[in-house]
Amino acid sequence: EVQLVESGGGLVKPGGSLRLSCAASGFTFSTYSMNWVRQAPGKGLEWVSSISSGSSYIYYADSVKGRFTISRDNAKNSLYLQMNSLRAEDTAVYYCARDLTSGGIYYGMDVWGQGTTVTVSS
Amino acid sequence: EIVLTQSPGTLSLSPGERATLSCRASQSVSSSYLAWYQQKPGQAPRLLIYGASSRATGIPDRFSGSGSGTDFTLTISRLEPEDFAVYYCQQYGSSPPRTFGQGTKVEIK
Repeated sequence: EVQLVESGGGLVKPGGSLRLSCAASGFTFSTYSMNWVRQAPGKGLEWVSSISSGSSYIYYADSVKGRFTISRDNAKNSLYLQMNSLRAEDTAVYYCARDLTSGGIYYGMDVWGQGTTVTVSS
Repeated sequence: EIVLTQSPGTLSLSPGERATLSCRASQSVSSSYLAWYQQKPGQAPRLLIYGASSRATGIPDRFSGSGSGTDFTLTISRLEPEDFAVYYCQQYGSSPPRTFGQGTKVEIK
């Protein structure tokens, strides 16, 4: 079964750090770009960061640039998000999702994890 | 920076009716790079449409996508009870590489 499972969420104080993980199974992890997408309570989806299959291309939303770091370990089929200098506005459910672009077509984020909740509060 | 604006914010319809959702981009988006998602409360989003008009695996044919340039549409031909949800469009590009619209909620009238 194709699956993504996030972990590492929790309650953290403003200014603190947290590291999220996403474990992939059931597919060839190393061939897909991976993303972190978050959703604040009662709000819409916000793309946070992407990393290409071989980690050559890394992108961040302006809202997290300089504070968050995305990485992956293809040998361990795992994706990570290191979150530093956390703010109240970073409170959200964080999803990992795979996507694929091939032959000039973007095939969308077709597999998502169940999400892990990050709460930034004193 | 490409901004996606979805309208309406909320669509109130009855089962069996047709739903038409709009996604407008602030700059031209390749139709190959436009996707639509459905999200129900407490669940992760689900991919419906990629390449503006191609249905993802397992998506019923009552869902269809169309459009090009800056204007894209998701149509649900006849609403089933399970279709009441929030729908998001998303673009893949260079600046920023991925962007979501703010969502359209389809609610039961």
